[in-house]
Amino acid sequence: NAGVTQTPKFQVLKTGQSMTLQCAQDMNHNSMYWYRQDPGMGLRLIYYSASEGTTDKGEVPNGYNVSRLNKREFSLRLESAAPSQTSVYFCASQDSQTYEQYFGPGTRLTVT
Amino acid sequence: GQSLEQPSEVTAVEGAIVQINCTYQTSGFYGLSWYQQHDGGAPTFLSYNALDGLEETGRFSSFLSRSDSYGYLLLQELQMKDSASYFCAVRPYQAGTALIFGKGTTLSVSS
Repeated sequence: NAGVTQTPKFQVLKTGQSMTLQCAQDMNHNSMYWYRQDPGMGLRLIYYSASEGTTDKGEVPNGYNVSRLNKREFSLRLESAAPSQTSVYFCASQDSQTYEQYFGPGTRLTVT
Repeated sequence: GQSLEQPSEVTAVEGAIVQINCTYQTSGFYGLSWYQQHDGGAPTFLSYNALDGLEETGRFSSFLSRSDSYGYLLLQELQMKDSASYFCAVRPYQAGTALIFGKGTTLSVSS
């Protein structure tokens, strides 16, 4: 049972480049989330998907887009990367019975 | 809006008891959660309080008082491996299923 997987683990981009962060979960959870974590800032919600086919903005959505491809997969896209998007990105899914969120290992992104 | 306040750092020695407080301002929420994150790792779930009172899970306990807008995580018999960051989080009524996290408390346990 893999839980939540994320790819890639590390990425370096130049300003203006685009990329997609991939996330998949095998726990049959309806809800999935994308967070960014910066030093001293805790976890900030970028976008979430309460169920397949729906997405909603979180606290810091600007500069990002998401796709809930199916129940398993939820991707995050940076269309034109900026240095301010240098961060660690975590994907998570939530058990609707216990409200426990399960996190992936994270993607460490640096934008130069 | 919603905000959660936690101390930024706490230090303690092995074997001691430490309490990490979380005060919040939110118009209404379903419950208070706690997550642990070791340096370089992913957050992992510790506890969830849907109702007021104390929830105990081994060495860890969590408490919620909605009337006081306050909760805490209590760690007993501290071990070196408990050195980590601890985050409280709430699921506000208006946020659907999303969690709002505090900025975290870094716990350092020394021998």
